[in-house]
Amino acid sequence: GAVVSQHPSWVICKSGTSVKIECRSLDFQATTMFWYRQFPKQSLMLMATSNEGSKATYEQGVEKDKFLINHASLTLSTLTVTSAHPEDSSFYICSARKGTEQETQYFGPGTRLLVL
Amino acid sequence: AQSVSQHNHHVILSEAASLELGCNYSYGGTVNLFWYVQYPGQHLQLLLKYFSGDPLVKGIKGFEAEFIKSKFSFNLRKPSVQWSDTAEYFCAVNAGDDKIIFGKGTRLHILP
Repeated sequence: GAVVSQHPSWVICKSGTSVKIECRSLDFQATTMFWYRQFPKQSLMLMATSNEGSKATYEQGVEKDKFLINHASLTLSTLTVTSAHPEDSSFYICSARKGTEQETQYFGPGTRLLVL
Repeated sequence: AQSVSQHNHHVILSEAASLELGCNYSYGGTVNLFWYVQYPGQHLQLLLKYFSGDPLVKGIKGFEAEFIKSKFSFNLRKPSVQWSDTAEYFCAVNAGDDKIIFGKGTRLHILP
């Protein structure tokens, strides 16, 4: 199998606080993980590509100081939304790529963030 | 830059009807193509994928898709839909780099 989990599944926080979201590959090693953001009734927008042991590559328009990504091991990547604001409220989804299947990504269940 | 367009934003069908969801991409080189499905309250799941070979790809749950290179299309089909096919369907393309670019999705409602 290829199972990816995310924690938490949903979080509510106050404006100005930071929120950390974890993405784990449960039964395989993922050298590369991806972070997406999904707005209501819209597609997934790639935010950044995270490679184990190196700095993440951010897509144009994504603030790297706002969305901190750490890929410390082959099974864990974290996304920290720093100083969250209401406009950061969204559905954040991660995916992971198996080392042996370079073209296929396996998706986590997503984390719904609501910033008050 | 790569892009993916899905023609239908919202499709409503009755059970047993035939389904075809359109997908076109813009990229001149070799591509890998995917259809993902997101059932209500669940995460994205891979429905099928095309990398090379037979352009008619069969996936899970009776779905298939045909890659037509000359039309830059990868339409999803199912001959007879079921109520349980109610979901959102995303077409996606990968042009050999790390990124998968998604279409905006098609929300499919099947009436019982």
